[in-house]
Amino acid sequence: GQSLEQPSEVTAVEGAIVQINCTYQTSGFYGLSWYQQHDGGAPTFLSYNALDGLEETGRFSSFLSRSDSYGYLLLQELQMKDSASYFCATANQAGTALIFGKGTTLSVSS
Amino acid sequence: DTAVSQTPKYLVTQMGNDKSIKCEQNLGHDTMYWYKQDSKKFLKIMFSYNNKELIINETVPNRFSPKSPDKAHLNLHINSLELGDSAVYFCASSQGTSGGVGYEQYFGPGTRLTVT
Repeated sequence: GQSLEQPSEVTAVEGAIVQINCTYQTSGFYGLSWYQQHDGGAPTFLSYNALDGLEETGRFSSFLSRSDSYGYLLLQELQMKDSASYFCATANQAGTALIFGKGTTLSVSS
Repeated sequence: DTAVSQTPKYLVTQMGNDKSIKCEQNLGHDTMYWYKQDSKKFLKIMFSYNNKELIINETVPNRFSPKSPDKAHLNLHINSLELGDSAVYFCASSQGTSGGVGYEQYFGPGTRLTVT
């Protein structure tokens, strides 16, 4: 089956840069997505990588290395509002649904 | 306009009861989903509907049944509620028919179900 591993918690200060890693084991691979979820809120889509390399969207970037079964989410110029849970996700074996990692809780302090 | 909406937002009920959660999306998406998020924030797919056809059905108890009257709605009915059903249930939708792979999934605000 598919599985994704990511750190459970990360802490950082405002203005810093933080990297959240995700390693995956899959039978077949359909790309890696990242979602953000604030406490009490719904998950919201951040990025999707189908191919190797870096995708940049404002302060957030996502990287994928298919040969290493590894990706990361890079958050720059951290702000307090970035405190949230971040999930990496990929497709199930049939390619019909997303399987999520257990999430990384990011705490940003001043 | 709200893209994906769910009702109710909170649901408190007793064991053994039957309840339903409603979901509607106004994005014109082809596929809708139900997810369960437990107290440890683990987000797990339960069901997916594409053009009113069930395309996945993860290993959830048959007490849970999705019902889709049309492409814009996917309701979740739960029979004989148990304590372990307490969780947050999210509805979501996406374009395409590949389970949301490669497409952005839009999530509803969630329904917090508490079974006592």
